[in-house]
Amino acid sequence: AQSVSQHNHHVILSEAASLELGCNYSYGGTVNLFWYVQYPGQHLQLLLKYFSGDPLVKGIKGFEAEFIKSKFSFNLRKPSVQWSDTAEYFCAVNSNDYKLSFGAGTTVTVRA
Amino acid sequence: NAGVTQTPKFQVLKTGQSMTLQCAQDMNHNSMYWYRQDPGMGLRLIYYSASEGTTDKGEVPNGYNVSRLNKREFSLRLESAAPSQTSVYFCASSEALSGRGSDTQYFGPGTRLTVL
Repeated sequence: AQSVSQHNHHVILSEAASLELGCNYSYGGTVNLFWYVQYPGQHLQLLLKYFSGDPLVKGIKGFEAEFIKSKFSFNLRKPSVQWSDTAEYFCAVNSNDYKLSFGAGTTVTVRA
Repeated sequence: NAGVTQTPKFQVLKTGQSMTLQCAQDMNHNSMYWYRQDPGMGLRLIYYSASEGTTDKGEVPNGYNVSRLNKREFSLRLESAAPSQTSVYFCASSEALSGRGSDTQYFGPGTRLTVL
């Protein structure tokens, strides 16, 4: 089974700062990679995903992530955060089946 | 189009009580899932259903049973609740039969369960 590590438990930053959240996984075969976000009081929703093709993936709300196979990483980035990006962010991985493995999550707090 | 709905939103049980969490989706999805979310542990898969009439165990199935009532509905039952089952429970669904790995899973709002 895969394991997923998210490096930061809680990130606090100011509006307009850049954000990068780390995600590493343990599985060596073909993988599908996801970032989900949970805004306060809302459902988990998909930010972006990678399953093939260009390793630089763009998602909603200005987020992007880069799949680096050699580093088993799928880090999430946003050049300039807004207060509305305050949320919990989850990295998830599967090896082309239904069994999604989630990281522990990173809470991002953006101060106005 | 409500997406994935769950009832109830909150529940408090005493140890040993039973209850059923309900989940329904209106997206005509084939696969449905139950997860639990605990602080510092992310989401863990409890059970999965690839299609009506089929269910499979996930990572943490002990103490739970599920029923895929029809294509829309997937319920999770706690027969004898324990304090270790205090958690937030999420239902999800995805389009593909047999849970194609690249499919997006769509999540419900969650049920916050406390077992005293």
